[in-house]
Amino acid sequence: RKEVEQDPGPFNVPEGATVAFNCTYSNSASQSFFWYRQDCRKEPKLLMSVYSSGNEDGRFTAQLNRASQYISLLIRDSKLSDSATYLCVPNAGNNRKLIWGLGTSLAVNP
Amino acid sequence: NAGVTQTPKFQVLKTGQSMTLQCAQDMNHNSMYWYRQDPGMGLRLIYYSASEGTTDKGEVPNGYNVSRLNKREFSLRLESAAPSQTSVYFCASSEARTQYFGPGTRLLVL
Repeated sequence: RKEVEQDPGPFNVPEGATVAFNCTYSNSASQSFFWYRQDCRKEPKLLMSVYSSGNEDGRFTAQLNRASQYISLLIRDSKLSDSATYLCVPNAGNNRKLIWGLGTSLAVNP
Repeated sequence: NAGVTQTPKFQVLKTGQSMTLQCAQDMNHNSMYWYRQDPGMGLRLIYYSASEGTTDKGEVPNGYNVSRLNKREFSLRLESAAPSQTSVYFCASSEARTQYFGPGTRLLVL
């Protein structure tokens, strides 16, 4: 099993749509979880940290299910500027290393 | 507050040439990282430094050396560049487990 698995997409949605991404991770010792977004040929940027069972920041909601080792990201009222790759990033157990997968590609269309 | 800065932005090398990629952060973070990103692959950790004066290998350290010059600066050196080192290189810094990235260096080795 891969350390972190996401549907690579691409997800093509119209402006204003709600879209959800799912992620599973294999390291049961992971304690911290993050969603990053990466625009084409740019650096990853932190979207949100995921604590406890979940977190909400404006149009973005993340949920964490530790028992199932599953994380989700919900984006409401999609904007054109949301087009990017979304990376689910757990930490590698009790250290500062993060586990990076390929992410999910989102294209929001006018 | 510039965050994480990297120089140069672009570089073309011939096989066998050497170069140093520079990274600096002004967030007073203890930990710093060097990653490479290749098409179709997630970020791969080359080296990291948990604190000033310490460095450790990541998953792909061969062909690279690093120096943690002080708390702010973490450089990556290619002693004898090879075409396989053509990539985008990202530097990151962190306090706790959240990582913040520089804009990247695009390196082409001919």
